Amino acid sequence: DGGITQSPKYLFRKEGQNVTLSCEQNLNHDAMYWYRQDPGQGLRLIYYSQIVNDFQKGDIAEGYSVSREKKESFPLTVTSAQKNPTAFYLCASSTRGEGYTFGSGTRLTVV
Amino acid sequence: DQQVKQNSPSLSVQEGRISILNCDYTNSMFDYFLWYKKYPAEGPTFLISISSIKDKNEDGRFTVFLNKSAKHLSLHIVPSQPGDSAVYFCAASSFTPGRALTFGSGTRLQVQP
Repeated sequence: DGGITQSPKYLFRKEGQNVTLSCEQNLNHDAMYWYRQDPGQGLRLIYYSQIVNDFQKGDIAEGYSVSREKKESFPLTVTSAQKNPTAFYLCASSTRGEGYTFGSGTRLTVV
Repeated sequence: DQQVKQNSPSLSVQEGRISILNCDYTNSMFDYFLWYKKYPAEGPTFLISISSIKDKNEDGRFTVFLNKSAKHLSLHIVPSQPGDSAVYFCAASSFTPGRALTFGSGTRLQVQP
């Protein structure tokens, strides 16, 4: 079955630590995205990538970094520079002319 | 500056009645609009879409209406079922490669049995 997989489902981070959220898709989609959801708010775009080895900042990229070394993978690193990282993180992929397919999300909590 | 707005954070309807969820946008470059449904702790799932060349798209119980002059779209669910209870997000994009979507803040729909 084709799909998009995010791991882990729950992640706890100590203040000052970097953590990396995994996102893998086997849909052969060219584009991949990272969004963040906070309570009572919509999904805000962090980073997106249209092709391998290329990515663009979204609306709230500060404190985050990404890489796109393979078409299937688009990991997101939440760095210590992100002041309020506790949120629900969603990865998505798409191909031209179609809507997104979302992963099931990673809930990150700073402890 | 919110380019996509869902002004009603919640909506409650009786089973069997119509649910109408509304969405407004400000960016005239948006030409593709989508609705997603989301359950807690899960990723959103695609529901229905409409391009700017249409003013209506229907899929079973779900119909999306687009009023370009008013920059307004709405999702109608008829008849509403308890399983429709979820958060509904409106999203929009302009024709750019990769189609990064801009999402509204969501409306929580509760369908009462």
